[in-house]
This record gives sequence, C-alpha cells and structure tokens, in this order.
Amino acid sequence: KQEVTQIPAALSVPEGENLVLNCSFTDSAIYNLQWFRQDPGKGLTSLLLIQSSQREQTSGRLNASLDKSSGRSTLYIAASQPGDSATYLCAAPNSGNTPLVFGKGTRLSVIA
Amino acid sequence: KAGVTQTPRYLIKTRGQQVTLSCSPISGHRSVSWYQQTPGQGLQFLFEYFSETQRNKGNFPGRFSGRQFSNSRSEMNVSTLELGDSALYLCASSWTGAVDQPQHFGDGTRLSIL
Repeated sequence: KQEVTQIPAALSVPEGENLVLNCSFTDSAIYNLQWFRQDPGKGLTSLLLIQSSQREQTSGRLNASLDKSSGRSTLYIAASQPGDSATYLCAAPNSGNTPLVFGKGTRLSVIA
Repeated sequence: KAGVTQTPRYLIKTRGQQVTLSCSPISGHRSVSWYQQTPGQGLQFLFEYFSETQRNKGNFPGRFSGRQFSNSRSEMNVSTLELGDSALYLCASSWTGAVDQPQHFGDGTRLSIL
C-alpha cells in the first residue's frame, strides 16, 4: 500500500528565493506522481504529472523530479513570488491503480 | 472548456440529517472520483465511478454512498450526518481513470455539521 509523506508541513521564504519541496513515497513500483497546488478554500490545481519512465517535468518556473529508487520526488520553484503562496500536495496512485494517495501537503508562504 | 463543477459550494446541516452533493466532470471524462479533505486526515479517497459502476471504494462507512449517471455526472450521499463529517468534499475527473491520466479537481463542497 502506497504511503506519501511531505516535509516540512510549512515553509516561509522571502520573495525571489529558489526553493525545493519534498515528497517521499513507500512503493517504488510507482506508475506516476502528480503535484498539485491548493489555494485556501479552493480545489486542487494539477501542476505536473511525472510518469514512472520520466525523471523530470518542467512547466514555467516549476520543475519536478522523480527518483523511484530512493522513493523521492522534489518540486523546484524558481524565483518565488507572493502569488506562489499556497499548499502544495503530491500524490501517487495506490499500488498502480487509482485512487490517488496524497501527502498532507506543504504550506508555502512567499513574503514580499 | 469548462472544468469540474461541484454544487453546492457550501452546505450547513445538523447531525442526523442526510445530504447529497453533485459533481459534473469535464466534458468527455467518464471517470469520477470523490475525496474527503479534513485538517487532521488530509485528503482521503471515498470512491470512484466509471460508466455508472463503482470501480473502487475507500475505507468509509456505508453511510457514504454515490452513483453515476449516463452523462457521467455523479452524486455523493451521506446519511445520518455526524459532526466528524464536516469537511471539504472534492470531486475529480479523468478520461477513463487510467493511472497515466492526470486528475482534474473541482473547487469542492464545504460541508459543515452543527
């Protein structure tokens, strides 16, 4: 059974800083891993989906990597902005099938 | 194109009542999943529907049920509401629910139990 962990639970950084959010998972036979963003009181917005055959995916200032052997994924945010403030969640399918198993998220605050 | 639509956005109920939540997936998407989000437990899977059939079910009591219609719209029902059912209920859709497809989420229904 897949378990997903995100550390730290909260992070505060000054504007302009590059930062890394961490996600670890227990089942290395992972099909893919998805990163989401959640704004307060809102649903989840899909940011990046990395398939198991890929090592990383990029979208604008975001770059996500996947290391199956170590059970880790990272989300790199370049040149952070106050608008990046949100909770970031990672999720992976449970044992190769839906449903998604989510981490508890990292709440990011970017201070102007 | 329109995203996943959940109605209503907010609900206030009292213990013992029942409630029905609605989810309209992205056009063409046939898989609909439901999740419960609470501060303590985070996001937990409730169930998934595909072609009007429940395909997966999470570890929730039988008070939680759902269904899917021929147009892929889905409803979730909770009976005999308890205080612990207060949560944000999120719906997600994808083309077929295959693991290589991204899940697209709605903004959720905030359910408060008094």
